[in-house]
Amino acid sequence: SQTIHQWPATLVQPVGSPLSLECTVEGTSNPNLYWYRQAAGRGLQLLFYSVGIGQISSEVPQNLSASRPQDRQFILSSKKLLLSDSGFYLCAWSANRGPTEAFFGQGTRLTVV
Amino acid sequence: KNEVEQSPQNLTAQEGEFITINCSYSVGISALHWLQQHPGGGIVSLFMLSSGKKKHGRLIATINIQEKHSSLHITASHPRDSAVYICAGITQGGSEKLVFGKGTKLTVNP
Repeated sequence: SQTIHQWPATLVQPVGSPLSLECTVEGTSNPNLYWYRQAAGRGLQLLFYSVGIGQISSEVPQNLSASRPQDRQFILSSKKLLLSDSGFYLCAWSANRGPTEAFFGQGTRLTVV
Repeated sequence: KNEVEQSPQNLTAQEGEFITINCSYSVGISALHWLQQHPGGGIVSLFMLSSGKKKHGRLIATINIQEKHSSLHITASHPRDSAVYICAGITQGGSEKLVFGKGTKLTVNP
């Protein structure tokens, strides 16, 4: 069966420090991968999506970047965190074959202090 | 622009009541997810709908393609149903990105 792992679950980082959140998927190949963010009191917003290794599309200009070094690995990074980067980050995947179920990681609650 | 509008924003019910949450979406969305987010933040997909109706236990989801409207119903609501319910539209054309409604916070009191 397919599973998605996202870590860490919580993270407190100082302003200006780097960030690396990792997401891996098991039990499927060539998934579409997504990073979403939920800021306090707001809905979920798509940050990045990837349809294949090395293929990253960004939805909103921001202080973050994403990479997909392997088929089932998706990494969200920042070189220098801002206070406004605080929020709840979710990784998700869906099959690469039209509208299908989406599966979400457990999320990472990031607090930038 | 792909948009998803969800109502109500907050909903309080007594245990046993029938619950309805509504979602309207714009052109460019080919299907919908109904998601459940618990206080810890984790999200579970309840349904994915592109037409008709789906039922799972006490949950029922319907979608009307012509009216671009979907509803999530909970029958015989229970306090453990308390959560945020999110409607998310799947955009057409390739990458199946999700566009989220702002969520409905449901509180079911015993």
